[in-house]
Amino acid sequence: DVKVTQSSRYLVKRTGEKVFLECVQDMDHENMFWYRQDPGLGLRLIYFSYDVKMKEKGDIPEGYSVSREKKERFSLILESASTNQTSMYLCASSLLTDTQYFGPGTRLTVL
Amino acid sequence: TQLLEQSPQFLSIQEGENLTVYCNSSSVFSSLQWYRQEPGEGPVLLVTVVTGGEVKKLKRLTFQFGDARKDSSLHITAAQPGDTGLYLCAVNSGGSNYKLTFGKGTLLTVNP
Repeated sequence: DVKVTQSSRYLVKRTGEKVFLECVQDMDHENMFWYRQDPGLGLRLIYFSYDVKMKEKGDIPEGYSVSREKKERFSLILESASTNQTSMYLCASSLLTDTQYFGPGTRLTVL
Repeated sequence: TQLLEQSPQFLSIQEGENLTVYCNSSSVFSSLQWYRQEPGEGPVLLVTVVTGGEVKKLKRLTFQFGDARKDSSLHITAAQPGDTGLYLCAVNSGGSNYKLTFGKGTLLTVNP
């Protein structure tokens, strides 16, 4: 079974802090994705990566950056956290197909 | 304009009832996926439909892809509390990088 793990299930940070969300997959998938999920807005793509060191902006990249130094790991970085970045963050991975495998999510609260 | 419109947005039913949720669009798709997200977890793929008019069954869940490949429905027979969750439809956004666009989902609650 594919396993996608995220570093924290719950995280509380203060405004202005730098925040790192880590995601690791164990199935040698090329593609990895970061989404945020908000009530009434659904799943929105922040960034995705289709290879090591390769990344593309999704629909809402502002305020975020990403890093993919190794194939199995994809990090989402909030350079200076703000209260409007309070959300559920979901990481996913996929092989060269449409099927995405999701991690359990990190619920981030920015105070 | 949302690419995928899901309805209803919320649905609360009693155990044993039947229900249908919908995923509609004005665009044509080569395939469409349904995911279920249980409370506190990430979405999990239920099914992919590819052919217009296709019907797929997964135990008590029946998925149909519209003849014109613009819409899909999910029917649950004799719903159980374990069916509670957010049901999301998704399509490939286009391009070669396998990005998906998701509908906003139907939040289903099945009461014992």
